[in-house]
Amino acid sequence: QVQLVESGGGVVQPGGSLRLSCAASGFTFSSYGMHWVRQAPGKGPEWVAFIRYDGSNKYYADSVKGRFTISRDNSKNTLYLQMNSLRPEDTAVYYCAKGGMTLTGPPDYWGQGTLVAVSS
Amino acid sequence: SSELTQDPAVSVALGQTVKITCQGDSLRSYYASWYQQKPGQAPVLVIYGKNNRPSGIPDRFSGSSSGNTASLTITGAQAEDEADYYCNSRDSSSNHLLFGGGTKLTVL
Repeated sequence: QVQLVESGGGVVQPGGSLRLSCAASGFTFSSYGMHWVRQAPGKGPEWVAFIRYDGSNKYYADSVKGRFTISRDNSKNTLYLQMNSLRPEDTAVYYCAKGGMTLTGPPDYWGQGTLVAVSS
Repeated sequence: SSELTQDPAVSVALGQTVKITCQGDSLRSYYASWYQQKPGQAPVLVIYGKNNRPSGIPDRFSGSSSGNTASLTITGAQAEDEADYYCNSRDSSSNHLLFGGGTKLTVL
C-alpha cells in the first residue's frame, strides 16, 4: 500500500531554514508527480509546490516562490522541500502527497505530516 | 487571484442526504476533487474526476458539477461522516492548485 512518511520538521527562528523529506513506498515513485501541501493550525489546506515525475517541471504557490525549493531523488524514492527565509506565517503541518503525472492530477495519498513552527 | 468558495458549515440528520458545494471559475475548466478530514488526521480523497471514488470510499459519496459549481453529495449520512470537507482543483489561470476554505459537516 502507498506510504508517505515526512520528516525534518521542527521549531526554527524567523529567517531560518529547514529541509523536509518524504520517504515514499508502495508505488512506482518515479512515475508520479508529487506535491507539498501545508495546513496552518485551524485552517484549510494550502498547496505549496508540485514536481513532475521526472523533476522536469516545478510549480510553486506565490506565497513561497523564491524561498522554497521542491526536489526529488527517484533513486531513493524521496521527495524534498528546502525552505529558506522562513516566516511566522509558514507555521503549519506540511504534508507530502502523491499526485498524477501532471499538475492536474489531484493529490490522492497523503502522509501524516510534519510540523514546522517558525517562532522567535 | 482565483479561489474556491465553500459554505463554512452544514448539518444533516442521520440517514438523510446532504450536498456540499464549491464555487469557483476554475471549475468551468477542471473537475473538483473532494477530501474528508477528521481531527488530527491527514485529508483523505473521497471523490475525483467526473465522479470517481478511490478504493475503499463508500458509494454513498458522489460528485457532480455544473458551470462554476461542484458538489459533493452524501446519500444516507452516517455518524462517521462528520468531518471537514475540502474541495480542490487546478487553477485555470496559473500553474497552481487551489483548495476551498472547507465545510464542517455535522451529523445530527
